[in-house]
Amino acid sequence: KQEVTQIPAALSVPEGENLVLNCSFTDSAIYNLQWFRQDPGKGLTSLLLIQSSQREQTSGRLNASLDKSSGRSTLYIAASQPGDSATYLCAGSLYSSASKIIFGSGTRLSIRP
Amino acid sequence: DTGVSQNPRHKITKRGQNVTFRCDPISEHNRLYWYRQTLGQGPEFLTYFQNEAQLEKSRLLSDRFSAERPKGSFSTLEIQRTEQGDSAMYLCASSFSGTQANEKLFFGSGTQLSVL
Repeated sequence: KQEVTQIPAALSVPEGENLVLNCSFTDSAIYNLQWFRQDPGKGLTSLLLIQSSQREQTSGRLNASLDKSSGRSTLYIAASQPGDSATYLCAGSLYSSASKIIFGSGTRLSIRP
Repeated sequence: DTGVSQNPRHKITKRGQNVTFRCDPISEHNRLYWYRQTLGQGPEFLTYFQNEAQLEKSRLLSDRFSAERPKGSFSTLEIQRTEQGDSAMYLCASSFSGTQANEKLFFGSGTQLSVL
């Protein structure tokens, strides 16, 4: 059974710091991977999608990378701001079932002003 | 593009009652997903549709759960004989899958179910 682990479960840092969130899959045969943001009581917003032929995606202060050999992904947030406070979830699908997308439990991020 | 719409936003019901939720995906999206999320956890996959066909269903989904997507447009998720353990946020998502698969998911705001 494919499982997705996100470390750390929670993180609190002062404003302005750069930070890295981690995600790992028990099965490294990842077809594609997405990072999402979720605010309390709300749905999820897609931040970055790394498709099957890609290894990295960037959007503004966010950069996501995927190491398919190990089944690990990182989300890098540069120059963090209080508005970045949210839960960040990674989700992926496997080559064996490319349409079934499964999620980690998320990292709850708090940026202190 | 009005986004993915879910109704109702909140539903409170008594144990044993049936409930039905509706999801309207982004109009050109051919894939539709249902997920369930409890506090502090990531969304759990329940089922997904490619157009009107239900292609995969999680083993988490008991016989009390049924989902439909008539005509490949909106979808409904019904829970019969609700139990307190069904209390959760039910999330719908849609995506477009073309010749090059692009599974960027767009989520609705969810339906929060409370079973008393």
